[in-house]
Amino acid sequence: DAGITQSPRHKVTETGTPVTLRCHQTENHRYMYWYRQDPGHGLRLIHYSYGVKDTDKGEVSDGYSVSRSKTEDFLLTLESATSSQTSVYFCAIGGGGEQYFGPGTRLTVT
Amino acid sequence: GIQVEQSPPDLILQEGANSTLRCNFSDSVNNLQWFHQNPWGQLINLFYIPSGTKQNGRLSATTVATERYSLLYISSSQTTDSGVYFCAVEQFGNEKLTFGTGTRLTIIP
Repeated sequence: DAGITQSPRHKVTETGTPVTLRCHQTENHRYMYWYRQDPGHGLRLIHYSYGVKDTDKGEVSDGYSVSRSKTEDFLLTLESATSSQTSVYFCAIGGGGEQYFGPGTRLTVT
Repeated sequence: GIQVEQSPPDLILQEGANSTLRCNFSDSVNNLQWFHQNPWGQLINLFYIPSGTKQNGRLSATTVATERYSLLYISSSQTTDSGVYFCAVEQFGNEKLTFGTGTRLTIIP
């Protein structure tokens, strides 16, 4: 398995609170990605990074920000969580070929 | 953007049966991957197959890039094959995957 971990694995939070999800890799891949998975939509790209401090938006980026200060860590932040952001969030690594996915984080916003 | 369609959306089979899952895409692609999402939610890489045919045990995949489709074959199905199968594509010069909505496969003992 590719060395990708996500934390936390489960989180319940209240509307309006900030939330940060962490993705950590041990594979030294240049590219890292955040996706969300919702019923009926498959996986959709939120943001991705192509290097330290280099990030770009994906298909569903509104309400999310990201940061990458080290090759191995990619953070996803919900500045003010909303119920529509209840989802399962997956981190992936790759670029120039296959992508490999982390175990996912289940986020519930009440 | 590129559209990725998978069929059928749902498939229920008896253990031991064979199945074919299809992925159609609307534009030229540089890469194509097949994933299996097991009942615990884990996404497992099955094939990286931008073109040609590959086999791995009971599973095989074929991509015909010029005709914009890929097929995933599962032979002698087992209950552990249950889950959702996703196709995802990457266009030239674009290091991002676009996913189909998946085929949910249920294998009955």
